[in-house]
Amino acid sequence: DAKTTQPTSMDCAEGRAANLPCNHSTISGNEYVYWYRQIHSQGPQYIIHGLKNNETNEMASLIITEDRKSSTLILPHATLRDTAVYYCIVRVGGQGGSEKLVFGKGTKLTVNP
Amino acid sequence: DGGITQSPKYLFRKEGQNVTLSCEQNLNHDAMYWYRQDPGQGLRLIYYSQIVNDFQKGDIAEGYSVSREKKESFPLTVTSAQKNPTAFYLCASSTAWRGYTIYFGEGSWLTVV
Repeated sequence: DAKTTQPTSMDCAEGRAANLPCNHSTISGNEYVYWYRQIHSQGPQYIIHGLKNNETNEMASLIITEDRKSSTLILPHATLRDTAVYYCIVRVGGQGGSEKLVFGKGTKLTVNP
Repeated sequence: DGGITQSPKYLFRKEGQNVTLSCEQNLNHDAMYWYRQDPGQGLRLIYYSQIVNDFQKGDIAEGYSVSREKKESFPLTVTSAQKNPTAFYLCASSTAWRGYTIYFGEGSWLTVV
């Protein structure tokens, strides 16, 4: 089962910031938070990831709460091309390095003109 | 350019036939993965491989088989034992180091006719 909880869908006006929340209350101290997005019929695209500190790259910013139980992905100036399903994932550790990512259903973000 | 190549993009299979989906990566990644995605659903892990000549079952391995004879290649065979094979299949790869990022191919659509 996925270890994260996300809203099923969100809307955002073009040019405004899109803030996508994610709850991961059972995250372990050495687990990373990853964000991907998927446009219909394409492979998921990596956006950003973090452990404890906030992170920023050319696509987005990731804000992780101090207790690490939740995070927010921020798209600072959403465009129509940002319409996609956004997945928040924590890396599930395993014995012997058998680590894998577990995907939930994600948040369908619709950017409106 | 470096990346993950999946082929074919679209494949039709008659019931009772085995089919093989190809996945090749030139990222020099140790780990490779196969996911299945059904319409409107998240990704589910079929098989993964952390190193050549070794692979592990994921959450829905029944009716599928894989091989990892080369670092660059991780083909997936959908056998006739898979009762509901129509889906979108995604191959992915990553380094084996902690804090890795997993990258995805563009996916393959399999339809049983």
